[in-house]
Amino acid sequence: KQEVTQIPAALSVPEGENLVLNCSFTDSAIYNLQWFRQDPGKGLTSLLLIQSSQREQTSGRLNASLDKSSGRSTLYIAASQPGDSATYLCAVSGGATNKLIFGTGTLLAVQP
Amino acid sequence: KAGVTQTPRYLIKTRGQQVTLSCSPISGHRSVSWYQQTPGQGLQFLFEYFSETQRNKGNFPGRFSGRQFSNSRSEMNVSTLELGDSALYLCASSLGRGSTDTQYFGPGTRLTVL
Repeated sequence: KQEVTQIPAALSVPEGENLVLNCSFTDSAIYNLQWFRQDPGKGLTSLLLIQSSQREQTSGRLNASLDKSSGRSTLYIAASQPGDSATYLCAVSGGATNKLIFGTGTLLAVQP
Repeated sequence: KAGVTQTPRYLIKTRGQQVTLSCSPISGHRSVSWYQQTPGQGLQFLFEYFSETQRNKGNFPGRFSGRQFSNSRSEMNVSTLELGDSALYLCASSLGRGSTDTQYFGPGTRLTVL
């Protein structure tokens, strides 16, 4: 049974700092991995999708990497801003399906 | 292009009642999935519909059901509500079921069961 873990559960950094969020999964047979952000009481916003055959994806200040063999993904945020404050969730898909298994999330606070 | 819309945004019901939630996917998207989010359990998969057929179902009791219409809009129904059904219900749409198909989420329906 696939389990997804995110560490740390919460993170507070000063504005301008670069940071890394971690996601690990127990079954390496994934189809893709997605990173989302969620603002309080809101839905999820898709940030990046990495296919199982890819190693990384970039969008603006965000870079996500995937190491399937070790069951890990990282989300790198460069030059953090207060507007980046949110909960970040990673989710994996295990096959030709849209069923996502989510991690518990990392609550990020960027202090101005 | 309009995003995923969910109605209603907020609902208050009492135990034993039933409720129907609606989701309109992004135009052209054929897949709709539903998730339940609670503080204790996080985000849990309910079901996935593609071309009006349920393709996948999560580990929820039979009180939770859903359907998808020919225009890809989807509804989910919860009968005989329990206090533990209080949650944020999110739906997500995607173009298809491929490895490159990003899922786009709606704002959710906040259900409170009293």
